[in-house]
Parts: sequence; structure tokens; C-alpha cells
Amino acid sequence: SAVISQKPSRDICQRGTSLTIQCQVDSQVTMMFWYRQQPGQSLTLIATANQGSEATYESGFVIDKFPISRPNLTFSTLTVSNMSPEDSSIYLCSAGGLTNEQFFGPGTRLTVL
Amino acid sequence: GENVEQHPSTLSVQEGDSAVIKCTYSDSASNYFPWYKQELGKGPQLIIDIRSNVGEKKDQRIAVTLNKTAKHFSLHITETQPEDSAVYFCAASKGSNYQLIWGAGTKLIIKP
Repeated sequence: SAVISQKPSRDICQRGTSLTIQCQVDSQVTMMFWYRQQPGQSLTLIATANQGSEATYESGFVIDKFPISRPNLTFSTLTVSNMSPEDSSIYLCSAGGLTNEQFFGPGTRLTVL
Repeated sequence: GENVEQHPSTLSVQEGDSAVIKCTYSDSASNYFPWYKQELGKGPQLIIDIRSNVGEKKDQRIAVTLNKTAKHFSLHITETQPEDSAVYFCAASKGSNYQLIWGAGTKLIIKP
């Protein structure tokens, strides 16, 4: 299994600002994903981070709001841009290989004031 | 599109008893079914998974069963312990794009 770390673990931000979340995997992985999870809710996929190319976004999520980078097979970033209180949530990174298993980081707890 | 329904939303069992959580999926092409445990303040942890060519899989106190005809799969936890208290999520995947479709989650409470 892959070990995944995320930074920061939590942050409190002012509306209108942007926050970049980092995801580091301890081994090379094929797939990396970014999710959002509201308290008490299930996970919602934001996008698939593709190595060396643009991320693939799910319906309701756009690149201007959630730009994603994946410069190599072990690292990805998600930026939450021009934040509003509605962006307050837990953001999770996951990684997996060709066997479908996905392993998750500890999450980033974001509060927007 | 693919949909995964999970029941119950909350399950309270006496310590030492068994717990069963059920999920139903809609896409017959789904072939991978993982279960995750999420403790408060942590990310989801993969605890067991099953693929469509297998009907049952066990790992100590945890087992998963799959009924492809009925398109449902279940998580069984025996001899429950306080540390089993958490939110459990089921998911399904077709494998072609590795994306997981998630159930709504079950909050499992183990009563001492």
C-alpha cells in the first residue's frame, strides 16, 4: 500500500484568497485523485490528476476554481482559488495503481471566513 | 450513471455482537468493490475489497460478500470491539477509469 501525506493538515483562510494543498506519495503511482468531503457526508470526486497533462474534472468543478498540478508520479497539488465560505470542507488526496486500490491521505481541513 | 446505495445510515450494536452493512450498485459492469473505514479527523482507510470473480473474502473479523446477480455486496464485522466505531463507506468501480462511486456511509456505534 502507498503512504500519502498532505500539507497543510488544516488552515483558516479569508474569503477571496487562495490555498494550495500538497499531496506526496511514498512511491510512484499511476493514478492520483482529489476529493472533497463535507462534514458527515460522503466523498465527492473533484478531479483526476494526470501526470504531465491537464487534470480531468468532474461535473461541477472547473479548472479556474480548482487548478491541479501533477509534475511527477509521486506529487500533486490542488489549489482552491478565490475562496468563499462555501469552500469550507475537507480536501482529500488519494493514490492508486492499476489494481484499482486507492489509498488516502489524512486530509486538509479548510475553513473559510 | 452509476449509483451506490448504502444502508443503514447508522448502526448501533452491542460490543461482541456482529454488524452488517449492505450496499447495492446499479452498473452491472462494476467489478471492484472496496470498503473503507473513516475515523474522526482521519482519511478513509481501505479495510477490505472484493472483485467480481469472487463471492466472499475474509480477513480476521471482517468479511465481504458479493452477489453479482442481485448487484449487492455486504460488509460483515464479527465480535465487534470499541475500536470498530467509525464511519464505513462502500464503493464500486468499473476499473476502466479507476474512479470509485461511493455510498453515503454508515456510522457504526459499538455500545460497551
